[in-house]
Amino acid sequence: DQQVKQNSPSLSVQEGRISILNCDYTNSMFDYFLWYKKYPAEGPTFLISISSIKDKNEDGRFTVFLNKSAKHLSLHIVPSQPGDSAVYFCAASAFGNTPLVFGKGTRLSVIA
Amino acid sequence: DGGITQSPKYLFRKEGQNVTLSCEQNLNHDAMYWYRQDPGQGLRLIYYSQIVNDFQKGDIAEGYSVSREKKESFPLTVTSAQKNPTAFYLCASNSDRGYHYGYTFGSGTRLTVV
Repeated sequence: DQQVKQNSPSLSVQEGRISILNCDYTNSMFDYFLWYKKYPAEGPTFLISISSIKDKNEDGRFTVFLNKSAKHLSLHIVPSQPGDSAVYFCAASAFGNTPLVFGKGTRLSVIA
Repeated sequence: DGGITQSPKYLFRKEGQNVTLSCEQNLNHDAMYWYRQDPGQGLRLIYYSQIVNDFQKGDIAEGYSVSREKKESFPLTVTSAQKNPTAFYLCASNSDRGYHYGYTFGSGTRLTVV
């Protein structure tokens, strides 16, 4: 049973436009959410996170929105750049440092 | 520079053989994790350890074994009992502070059964 779902395996966006990556979760005990970026044959790198006490967190071009009632979060990248092309993983954790649970990832392609 | 080192980067194993993947960190992190990545499957947790000499099974532990004799090291053995071992293996660590500030991942080991 998938607790973290990324229903779009891939997304293509033109350079300069907004990229929106979505993530849904089923476990109501999750209280911390993270996004990771991964290039082929490399380990994921941490991008941005959000605690369940917030509904928005920004870091430069990256913003994560959390809608707890809908159990939904999204990552916005504005403006999108070709270097953003990668696989993005959504991850979640319950309080107490339980291991992160990852979604299946969304492959973002930013077209110049 | 602090980080996580996984070795080797590529590993080939014959059917029926055990093989050990190395993971070493110099971040002084308490917790370490092994994940497996398959195409279209995301990252699935194999084993994790939050303290030396203690570890717990993840979602797909069958056919794998680990040890945590030192804080810096968390090797993963893929045994012959693992039915489909060909995958990309990722090791991660984080500081045990209750909330996650993001895992640090190694660069991965690609294991291929030949």
